[in-house]
Amino acid sequence: GNSVTQMEGPVTLSEEAFLTINCTYTATGYPSLFWYVQYPGEGLQLLLKATKADDKGSNKGFEATYRKETTSFHLEKGSVQVSDSAVYFCALSEENRDDKIIFGKGTRLHILP
Amino acid sequence: GAGVSQSPSNKVTEKGKDVELRCDPISGHTALYWYRQSLGQGLEFLIYFQGNSAPDKSGLPSDRFSAERTGGSVSTLTIQRTQQEDSAVYLCASRRDRKATGELFFGEGSRLTVL
Repeated sequence: GNSVTQMEGPVTLSEEAFLTINCTYTATGYPSLFWYVQYPGEGLQLLLKATKADDKGSNKGFEATYRKETTSFHLEKGSVQVSDSAVYFCALSEENRDDKIIFGKGTRLHILP
Repeated sequence: GAGVSQSPSNKVTEKGKDVELRCDPISGHTALYWYRQSLGQGLEFLIYFQGNSAPDKSGLPSDRFSAERTGGSVSTLTIQRTQQEDSAVYLCASRRDRKATGELFFGEGSRLTVL
């Protein structure tokens, strides 16, 4: 079945460091891909998305590019801030069945000042 | 309301008791989801409601779990004869419509502890 695999955390970085959180997926067809973020004490919220191959989703300085050839959707940010400390979830929705959203296990990110 | 509201925020119960968790989605959103978040396990899909269509119950882990959505709005997740392995955070999310692919709005969850 369809699945999402993301790097295990926690990931600890210093402020202004470059961030990459890896995400790969297994799916039939052409799923849509998402990154969600859960800040401490808050509900999950959509960070960015890409709906077709080579699309780049971006928001709040974060980017991720839909790579079908490598079945990946890695999250990147050039210079992280303490406020980016959160849990990040990679997710996909199945082609022609965009109701069920499948999530990865989440990656906890700690940014040190 | 402005966001997805869930209640109770915390529930502690004894093994074997039944529990009900409530979700009030964003007004006008046609789709409603329940997920379970266990430590180290990510988000596990439980059930999905879309408008008046039959719900997708494929993620419910056992027949002790059931959910209803009344009037296309409020939803209740019921767990009968709770077990310790049911302890988790139960998350509800809503989506505006089918065109809003993947754009789920989540509540803050109901943390269930089964003693």
